[in-house]
Amino acid sequence: GAGVSQSPRYKVAKRGQDVALRCDPISGHVSLFWYQQALGQGPEFLTYFQNEAQLDKSGLPSDRFFAERPEGSVSTLKIQRTQQEDSAVYLCASSIRRQGVGGYTFGSGTRLTVV
Amino acid sequence: AQSVTQLGSHVSVSEGALVLLRCNYSSSVPPYLFWYVQYPNQGLQLLLKYTSAATLVKGINGFEAEFKKSETSFHLTKPSAHMSDAAEYFCAVSLYGGSQGNLIFGKGTKLSVKP
Repeated sequence: GAGVSQSPRYKVAKRGQDVALRCDPISGHVSLFWYQQALGQGPEFLTYFQNEAQLDKSGLPSDRFFAERPEGSVSTLKIQRTQQEDSAVYLCASSIRRQGVGGYTFGSGTRLTVV
Repeated sequence: AQSVTQLGSHVSVSEGALVLLRCNYSSSVPPYLFWYVQYPNQGLQLLLKYTSAATLVKGINGFEAEFKKSETSFHLTKPSAHMSDAAEYFCAVSLYGGSQGNLIFGKGTKLSVKP
């Protein structure tokens, strides 16, 4: 597609519920990143894929967070047993180059609210 | 470790006035630096990037930024503010190489433009 597409746009989850957030990167983009943006803060790195390989997951805050990109295109960020502190906007970004050098294209994000 | 500090969480200017948004970075190696803009309920859009070429970088929408190594700064400027410039602006730093392609963002500066 022309841009990075994320779905759903908004998600309300009850505490303890599992959620899955989807990212469709720009076709052919090698790099895919997930970021978490809490209210009033800058985005914080969660994880990085180069094609289907997850090369860096150092930013995932706990083992409740899991990301995959099995075929090197669409990626899913899964959060198990959601907690209120997980409420944030989750941003996906893709880049045609490895490591994201030169800048990314961001999606509009998924706003997750845990109640 | 790399870090970014944006001075001023909120800047207000009059339409037609100079826009100056400040960013200082900390990096042990030559950095890649970026400015992104975020409009309400949207993802981040790349304004401009510094990747060790010219120290004065021109971006979209009339914005530019100057890399000053001696001051570890990368301030964003625009000679004449427009109402459509009202948004949140994020400075970010990245290292190239290894798995350090992820961006480290500042906390953002919200720009208001008064008529």
